[in-house]
Amino acid sequence: DSGVTQTPKHLITATGQRVTLRCSPRSGDLSVYWYQQSLDQGLQFLIQYYNGEERAKGNILERFSAQQFPDLHSELNLSSLELGDSALYFCASSDQAGQGRDTIYFGEGSWLTVV
Amino acid sequence: AQKITQTQPGMFVQEKEAVTLDCTYDTSDPSYGLFWYKQPSSGEMIFLIYQGSYDQQNATEGRYSLNFQKARKSANLVISASQLGDSAMYFCAMRDALTGGGNKLTFGTGTQLKVEL
Repeated sequence: DSGVTQTPKHLITATGQRVTLRCSPRSGDLSVYWYQQSLDQGLQFLIQYYNGEERAKGNILERFSAQQFPDLHSELNLSSLELGDSALYFCASSDQAGQGRDTIYFGEGSWLTVV
Repeated sequence: AQKITQTQPGMFVQEKEAVTLDCTYDTSDPSYGLFWYKQPSSGEMIFLIYQGSYDQQNATEGRYSLNFQKARKSANLVISASQLGDSAMYFCAMRDALTGGGNKLTFGTGTQLKVEL
């Protein structure tokens, strides 16, 4: 158990809908990351938050948004869902901003299926 | 841009044998970190081992060790005494520092390891 908690574990929704994925980082970790894993694109970095502020942005679509709350949990919002958004979405956390020996621990992922 | 290459899509190993999973990387940064993760069929991503570019010794964590050859830009994972539970996908990743103080992991395509009796 990495200590990173993600909910829901599985989600099936229709095209055009909106979903929210939730993540609680490991106790004391200030950074939260979101990654998407799909068969065709592999593991892709979406976004990083550090202590409530956006720190880095990757290949995140405009239909997707995220935030980190004062209690450090994070949510990833996916809207106007398309079939191609079906993927395993990971949240990860690290102690600090992620430099040096700061290890990044992943949650168990949220399986999203868009039908 | 940093790049991670894992050239072995699949590997087989017999139980109790050692196995080496290959990883090469490309970066122009003098300071970097390399990670290995294990992803069983259930999907979770499990951290295994970390190697910093300035570490004098190869990293070890239980049955996992990293054969780090900086000049060759390789960071191969060695699993000793393989167990059936080691059957999984293994990913090599490099930390990529981004503008603004952020960072991300760049992942390889993974190696699917199957441990046989």
